[in-house]
Amino acid sequence: SQKIEQNSEALNIQEGKTATLTCNYTNYSPAYLQWYRQDPGRGPVFLLLIRENEKEKRKERLKVTFDTTLKQSLFHITASQPADSATYLCALLTSGTYKYIFGTGTRLKVLA
Amino acid sequence: SQTIHQWPATLVQPVGSPLSLECTVEGTSNPNLYWYRQAAGRGLQLLFYSVGIGQISSEVPQNLSASRPQDRQFILSSKKLLLSDSGFYLCAWSDFQGPRSGNTIYFGEGSWLTVV
Repeated sequence: SQKIEQNSEALNIQEGKTATLTCNYTNYSPAYLQWYRQDPGRGPVFLLLIRENEKEKRKERLKVTFDTTLKQSLFHITASQPADSATYLCALLTSGTYKYIFGTGTRLKVLA
Repeated sequence: SQTIHQWPATLVQPVGSPLSLECTVEGTSNPNLYWYRQAAGRGLQLLFYSVGIGQISSEVPQNLSASRPQDRQFILSSKKLLLSDSGFYLCAWSDFQGPRSGNTIYFGEGSWLTVV
């Protein structure tokens, strides 16, 4: 069956360090993968999208990589700040459908 | 610009009572609409999605139902709530144009449901 997994349920890092979050998927052949941020009690907000033919995408302090051979995406936040503390979700659009499937999320806490 | 409204924001309902959550989208036409549920500390579970008026796809068998009476209105209902229906319900929309378009999904602010 199709599955998306985010390996770490929670991640604590020191301010200024780089946070790296992992998203693995099985039995999918996605055209692209997306990352979202969710703050407590709020809906997720889109951050970045990376397509299957792109190996890396950057936006300010954010970087996403996509390895379709490993079926894995890595999400990096450089020079992390306490304001980056949130839950980060990866998402796939299942092939041939309109369904967005989300990973379980990684709760990031940046310590001052 | 497009906006999504979802209400009520919070509700406490007794077991066995009915439920109605409403969602409307403004500033776009023929959106794809979604209902997700998020249990405390858990991921997003897709409940229903709709690609047009009257077209509803159900993902998880349960005592919930969804309807799309108008192009930009999506309603989540239940005739009799269970304790396990408690959670954070999120309505969302996308302008999906095809498998290569990469369109994102936009969420409402959510509705907290506590069944007691």
